[in-house]
Amino acid sequence: KAGVTQTPRYLIKTRGQQVTLSCSPISGHRSVSWYQQTPGQGLQFLFEYFSETQRNKGNFPGRFSGRQFSNSRSEMNVSTLELGDSALYLCASSGTSGNNEQFFGPGTRLTVL
Amino acid sequence: AQTVTQSQPEMSVQEAETVTLSCTYDTSESNYYLFWYKQPPSRQMILVIRQEAYKQQNATENRFSVNFQKAAKSFSLKISDSQLGDTAMYFCAFMKWTSGTYKYIFGTGTRLKVLA
Repeated sequence: KAGVTQTPRYLIKTRGQQVTLSCSPISGHRSVSWYQQTPGQGLQFLFEYFSETQRNKGNFPGRFSGRQFSNSRSEMNVSTLELGDSALYLCASSGTSGNNEQFFGPGTRLTVL
Repeated sequence: AQTVTQSQPEMSVQEAETVTLSCTYDTSESNYYLFWYKQPPSRQMILVIRQEAYKQQNATENRFSVNFQKAAKSFSLKISDSQLGDTAMYFCAFMKWTSGTYKYIFGTGTRLKVLA
């Protein structure tokens, strides 16, 4: 079974631009979560999608948005980039088992100049 | 609100020795899950071990075991016979179901270096 994939792996943008990141979950997984990872802050939860609906949301500004498609692939968009948005963005998928183990992708390293 | 605290930003251990990583959490819930995830340098995060809060027995997975103290809200990870491949960032995580969805909260991580 293929794991979680994320594209692109690396991105360099400048302040004010926008960016779209993509995540393909493990086949059969309907839940996709997004996290922002920065040194010293650990993983900060952005949002979770299940069956094309945002089911949960963290405390990030409206510049951060996402969506999920019918094949469970998910995209995350960040508009009007700020220097502080530089981070590793992780996507995780999970199935319907009760323990909800999350399977993580390799991440997209975003650098904002 | 739930919080997860990892008070050791960095640790090191000699190969073949034992090391314990600390994690405390705060919750008013009685049913939840606790996890330790491992993130090797430049590699994907993977699950190391999980513990269901309703189980009193501590979880073990080969060289990895936990010391789960529910009353104290403590969930430490013990790595026995440390290997160079254990060098990684370790994250403690709390998860609970609420309102038809689940919520994960991660700690800030402990960077473990295993020395040859």
